Amino acid sequence: DTAVSQTPKYLVTQMGNDKSIKCEQNLGHDTMYWYKQDSKKFLKIMFSYNNKELIINETVPNRFSPKSPDKAHLNLHINSLELGDSAVYFCASSQDLRDKETQYFGPGTRLLVL
Amino acid sequence: SQQGEEDPQALSIQEGENATMNCSYKTSINNLQWYRQNSGRGLVHLILIRSNEREKHSGRLRVTLDTSKKSSSLLITASRAADTASYFCATHSGNTPLVFGKGTRLSVIA
Repeated sequence: DTAVSQTPKYLVTQMGNDKSIKCEQNLGHDTMYWYKQDSKKFLKIMFSYNNKELIINETVPNRFSPKSPDKAHLNLHINSLELGDSAVYFCASSQDLRDKETQYFGPGTRLLVL
Repeated sequence: SQQGEEDPQALSIQEGENATMNCSYKTSINNLQWYRQNSGRGLVHLILIRSNEREKHSGRLRVTLDTSKKSSSLLITASRAADTASYFCATHSGNTPLVFGKGTRLSVIA
């Protein structure tokens, strides 16, 4: 059973399109995250949600909009995709905000913008 | 801003040898964690060491923390081909999110 799952695994799209990535965790965790990993493997946090509420919103263009319909799901919608958005996007979860001790990562979504 | 910096960027060793990776950080921390990322996969948590701990073991892994030097090391003993992966340190400070370094790419040659 996959603890943190993401769909799709691969996403190839044209510049200017709008796309969504979905994330689900079955660990019963309260906190979920989105990370972006660039071509140099640098992993940077984008958003953090706790119990469906936005907690952290790092410097991310407002073309990126996270949505959490319930605490087991955190989706990422990207408008007007740009070449620089090409990266691997990882969803992660942790027990709660106080316990940022262990994060569980999904397998990643490889986004390529042409 | 980036907190952890791993060193070396890449490391290649023979199976059975030990692998040592280092991580330096800039500000005071609550804890430091090491993660592994196999090619094409997500990160997997390996070990956490708190700021008041100096050394921790988990199987073939040994982590040290020197808060005076703001550095940590990850030692993998008796390496195996399956240990081939990228290894990241991540620091947790106060209420800020985990900050990851750029990773060390380890290649273990059979």
